[in-house]
Amino acid sequence: GESVGLHLPTLSVQEGDNSIINCAYSNSASDYFIWYKQESGKGPQFIIDIRSNMDKRQGQRVTVLLNKTVKHLSLQIAATQPGDSAVYFCAENGSGNTGKLIFGQGTTLQVKP
Amino acid sequence: DAGVIQSPRHEVTEMGQEVTLRCKPISGHDYLFWYRQTMMRGLELLIYFNNNVPIDDSGMPEDRFSAKMPNASFSTLKIQPSEPRDSAVYFCASSSGQADTQYFGPGTRLTVL
Repeated sequence: GESVGLHLPTLSVQEGDNSIINCAYSNSASDYFIWYKQESGKGPQFIIDIRSNMDKRQGQRVTVLLNKTVKHLSLQIAATQPGDSAVYFCAENGSGNTGKLIFGQGTTLQVKP
Repeated sequence: DAGVIQSPRHEVTEMGQEVTLRCKPISGHDYLFWYRQTMMRGLELLIYFNNNVPIDDSGMPEDRFSAKMPNASFSTLKIQPSEPRDSAVYFCASSSGQADTQYFGPGTRLTVL
């Protein structure tokens, strides 16, 4: 069946260091992937996305890497700041191009000052 | 644009009461999604609409849950009768296309006593 999972439930990093959040997906037919950030008491906020015809995409301080061979997705945050502390979710669109997203369980990022 | 708007932000009710959650999607978005988030189960898709028509309601827990979208700018999620296990944060999201980014509202935190 379809599933999206995260390797670690909590990641703790020092302010200024780079963060890497990983995600494994199981549906090889997925062709669209998104990273969301959810701060306490708020809804998930779009960070960056990537389609399967790419293996890397960069935004402001964030980079998403896609390895279709091993069905792995990662989010890299450069120079992590206290404001980056949140829960990060990866999501995939699964098969059938239905418009539905399948979300992982989330990784909590804690930034230590 | 104001983004996705949800009301109320918080709802506390007693078991057996009817609860109605409301959502206004981003103007021009053709897709609307209702999610439920709990610590145990994470983010679950309940139902989604395309052009006001329900497309997939397989995530709706049981007959106590119903959702409507009478027009392009308004949707409701109703629980009748409510139960303590329905306590969760309910999110509404919208997107402009089938494989496009979903934008989430701030959520409604429901507590059923």
